[in-house]
Amino acid sequence: DTGVSQDPRHKITKRGQNVTFRCDPISEHNRLYWYRQTLGQGPEFLTYFQNEAQLEKSRLLSDRFSAERPKGSFSTLEIQRTEQGDSAMYLCASSLGGGHQPQHFGDGTRLSIL
Amino acid sequence: LAKTTQPISMDSYEGQEVNITCSHNNIATNDYITWYQQFPSQGPRFIIQGYKTKVTNEVASLFIPADRKSSTLSLPRVSLSDTAVYYCLVVAGAGSYQLTFGKGTKLSVIP
Repeated sequence: DTGVSQDPRHKITKRGQNVTFRCDPISEHNRLYWYRQTLGQGPEFLTYFQNEAQLEKSRLLSDRFSAERPKGSFSTLEIQRTEQGDSAMYLCASSLGGGHQPQHFGDGTRLSIL
Repeated sequence: LAKTTQPISMDSYEGQEVNITCSHNNIATNDYITWYQQFPSQGPRFIIQGYKTKVTNEVASLFIPADRKSSTLSLPRVSLSDTAVYYCLVVAGAGSYQLTFGKGTKLSVIP
């Protein structure tokens, strides 16, 4: 079990630039989730995939955000025209099925907007 | 989803047993109670999950009374490495997908 892997771990960029993060889930997990966490708060749900299908998006996911999971394996989260408010930790999780199956989290990508 | 309430922070000395209580008055029949642990600059880590009565694993125990309106996470003989934020979540059954985190309980273990 290699766990959920996220890349990069840290990203510093200037306001207005585009950024892309990658998540590699646990190999047999069919569900993949993205969350965002700001300082002092718990993670907030952004979106999730079952296999390659994106089934739900939070209202937090503005039209500057897009997520993909081609072939139902790794996933990418892209933020276009970054803003100061996008500074946060972006967490990816995966699970084997839904419901009460535990979600296993990666260690996140910390995004800092200058 | 049922809202959860837990203490913002707790302090404990090394070697003591720590009990963190969470209330979830509006828990539904198919909901499970799940606890996660998070260290700084890391993602949350699943600790334990239960539906009713008592669940124990190598890390913690979870006590759930018959009415299921509250639950208690018990950490035996804590060490400095147990200093972390602990989140109590109510997770719906089939068909659910998102986890709803509160602010959690920041546990500080003192030497």
